[in-house]
Amino acid sequence: AQSVTQPDIHITVSEGASLELRCNYSYGATPYLFWYVQSPGQGLQLLLKYFSGDTLVQGIKGFEAEFKRSQSSFNLRKPSVHWSDAAEYFCAAGTSGTYKYIFGTGTRLKVLA
Amino acid sequence: SQTIHQWPATLVQPVGSPLSLECTVEGTSNPNLYWYRQAAGRGLQLLFYSVGIGQISSEVPQNLSASRPQDRQFILSSKKLLLSDSGFYLCAWSVEFSKETQYFGPGTRLLVL
Repeated sequence: AQSVTQPDIHITVSEGASLELRCNYSYGATPYLFWYVQSPGQGLQLLLKYFSGDTLVQGIKGFEAEFKRSQSSFNLRKPSVHWSDAAEYFCAAGTSGTYKYIFGTGTRLKVLA
Repeated sequence: SQTIHQWPATLVQPVGSPLSLECTVEGTSNPNLYWYRQAAGRGLQLLFYSVGIGQISSEVPQNLSASRPQDRQFILSSKKLLLSDSGFYLCAWSVEFSKETQYFGPGTRLLVL
């Protein structure tokens, strides 16, 4: 069955430290991959997406993600975290020909001053 | 540019009462529309999607229904709410079928008492 796994429910980092949020997928073929961010009580904002081509994808707010086919992963990274990055982050996957995304359960990021 | 609206932002309803949540999209035509539910501490669950007026696909059997009376309007309804219907409801839209990027509205928080 298709699935998206975010193994870390909570992550705490200090402001200015680097960040990596993990996402693993299980699909029959390479899916389209997305990272969204959700601030408390808000909708989801698209950070970046991968369809094909360059496996390192740049997004908004200084985020990037790397697609690794051999590891079935699409991890999100930021070199220096800001306090405003505290939020919940969702990885999602979809495939051509379907309207359905599968979302991970999310990783809640806490940033220490 | 495209925008997506949801209302109300927050709703408190008694068990057994009806429900109507509305979602509208501006700045695009013939969007694909989606309703998701997000329960506390869990990921997003796709409830319904629509590819056109009057065309609704249900992903999970439940106490809810959806309708699309106009091209850019998507309504989530229930005749009798259950306690388990509490959650955060998100509407989303997308344009292309083959490379879907879904854009989310601000959400409606529903509390059933």
